[in-house]
Amino acid sequence: GENVEQHPSTLSVQEGDSAVIKCTYSDSASNYFPWYKQELGKGPQLIIDIRSNVGEKKDQRIAVTLNKTAKHFSLHITETQPEDSAVYFCAGLNYGGSQGNLIFGKGTKLSVKP
Amino acid sequence: NAGVMQNPRHLVRRRGQEARLRCSPMKGHSHVYWYRQLPEEGLKFMVYLQKENIIDESGMPKERFSAEFPKEGPSILRIQQVVRGDSAAYFCASSPRGVYEQYFGPGTRLTVT
Repeated sequence: GENVEQHPSTLSVQEGDSAVIKCTYSDSASNYFPWYKQELGKGPQLIIDIRSNVGEKKDQRIAVTLNKTAKHFSLHITETQPEDSAVYFCAGLNYGGSQGNLIFGKGTKLSVKP
Repeated sequence: NAGVMQNPRHLVRRRGQEARLRCSPMKGHSHVYWYRQLPEEGLKFMVYLQKENIIDESGMPKERFSAEFPKEGPSILRIQQVVRGDSAAYFCASSPRGVYEQYFGPGTRLTVT
């Protein structure tokens, strides 16, 4: 089945700097990789996702890149703001079940210092 | 369009009692997933349901846990005879098209005393 590793576990940046979070996956059949943002006491919020037929996707200050050969994908946040502070989770698609389900990384706690 | 609703938000149960967690998916979504999150951990898949059907329960313990998504009403995750190890945050997510684009509710935080 799929295994997703996420690094780093904590990340601290100055406001305005960029932040990069990386995930690796094990199942070469995985074709869907979402990223979620979770603020304290709240549910995860889908912020961007990518399918394996594209190498990069952008949405304003957020971008995700995918390297299928190396089996890793990354979240890039530019011009970080204090409100970007949260825990970020990556996920990969596991086809072990009948329909597939998401396997999540352990999360990265991002702190943006003003 | 209201988001995914979960209730209760906090639930305290004594060991041996039953816990019932409810999830109302977003309007138009017929796919529901349940996840468990332990402190400092990621989310672990438990079960996937569509209306009146369990599609995949491979992540759910076979003993004491059950889930349903009836034709009318919310999806229910039921934990019988709770133990301290069941203390966690339980999230449901709904989707218009299966595993893709899952939108999460605010979660139910279960504490077993």
